[in-house]
Amino acid sequence: SYDLTQPPSVSVSPGHTATITCSGDALGERYVSWLQQKPGQSPVTVIYHDSKRPSGIPERFSGSSSGNTATLTISGTQTLDEADYFCQAWDISTGVFGGGTKLTVL
Amino acid sequence: QVRLQESGPGLVKASQTLSLTCTVSGGGFTSGESYYNWVRRPAGKGLEWIGRIYSGGSTLYHPSVESRATMSIDTSKNQFSLRLTSVTAADTAVYFCARVRLPEDYFDYWGPGILVTVSS
Repeated sequence: SYDLTQPPSVSVSPGHTATITCSGDALGERYVSWLQQKPGQSPVTVIYHDSKRPSGIPERFSGSSSGNTATLTISGTQTLDEADYFCQAWDISTGVFGGGTKLTVL
Repeated sequence: QVRLQESGPGLVKASQTLSLTCTVSGGGFTSGESYYNWVRRPAGKGLEWIGRIYSGGSTLYHPSVESRATMSIDTSKNQFSLRLTSVTAADTAVYFCARVRLPEDYFDYWGPGILVTVSS
């Protein structure tokens, strides 16, 4: 099975830049999405196709992907960005999620 | 505005069958511009993709549940369903139904989720 690996946790100070990575074999050859999930809420896609933002997602969210690693960057991180973040890709049409990264803003 | 809503029992006994339904409103259910998924999140763990179904009925399941999962769709009711047989405590989770938008292939709408607990 195809695996995506994320760091369990990332901490950032308000106003600073948060970077969350996702690694997998030849990940750069697949499209990666990033989903944000806050406690008690449903996930929300903040990035799709490696670097595109759905309508309504703030510009401070950006993404990139190359080689075996995809990266989610949150510029000027706000306290409301504190959440779990999951990378996601399709492996022969089967959905795969990374293990998730808990972003703490303090 | 598209809305998804899960429904079903919140408590299932071990070894029995979990059955959930997702009702989709807001249009586009059979447009062919999307397909529908079940995703779950066990407490303290990450998201797990269970499977997907197209409006025409074709399905695909994650290998970890393939032998126990069945998804179906009722286009007359704008609903799709999940049956998971022989459940164990490991199947206790919040279950979400979610839509994937085509051709971009990303999750654009989710239901609020339903907690299903498997009891012994």
